[in-house]
Amino acid sequence: GNSVTQMEGPVTLSEEAFLTINCTYTATGYPSLFWYVQYPGEGLQLLLKATKADDKGSNKGFEATYRKETTSFHLEKGSVQVSDSAVYFCALREAGATNKLIFGTGTLLAVQP
Amino acid sequence: EAGVVQSPRYKIIEKKQPVAFWCNPISGHNTLYWYLQNLGQGPELLIRYENEEAVDDSQLPKDRFSAERLKGVDSTLKIQPAELGDSAVYLCASSLEVDTEAFFGQGTRLTVV
Repeated sequence: GNSVTQMEGPVTLSEEAFLTINCTYTATGYPSLFWYVQYPGEGLQLLLKATKADDKGSNKGFEATYRKETTSFHLEKGSVQVSDSAVYFCALREAGATNKLIFGTGTLLAVQP
Repeated sequence: EAGVVQSPRYKIIEKKQPVAFWCNPISGHNTLYWYLQNLGQGPELLIRYENEEAVDDSQLPKDRFSAERLKGVDSTLKIQPAELGDSAVYLCASSLEVDTEAFFGQGTRLTVV
């Protein structure tokens, strides 16, 4: 079945460091890909998305490119801030009309000043 | 605009007792989802509603779990009787239509003792 695999955390970085959180997927057809973020005490929020191969999603300085050849959707940010500390979830939405989101296990990012 | 509202935020019950969670989606959103998030895991879909109809409940453990969305607006998820393994966060989400962005509530954290 369809699945998402993302790197285990926690990821601990100093402020202004470069961030990469790896995400790979297994899916039939052409799923849409997402990154969600969960700040402490809050619900999941959509961070960015890409709906087809080679699309780049971006938001708040974060970027991810839909790579069909490597079935990947790695999250990157050039300079992280303390306020980026959160849990990041990679997800795919199955192709078709189900709109079923399949999530990875989440990666905790801790940014230290 | 108000987001997805869930209550209660926290619930502690003894095993074998019943429990219910309530969700009020964003106004006008036809699609409503209930997700289960175990500790250290990503959310997993339990049930999806299109208006008042449950269109995907394949992951809902029907022996003890039930859900309803009688008027196609707010929804209730019930567990009866609860087991220790049901301790988790129960997330509600809604979207305008089946293939549009899903917005998540803050979740209800259930602890079964």
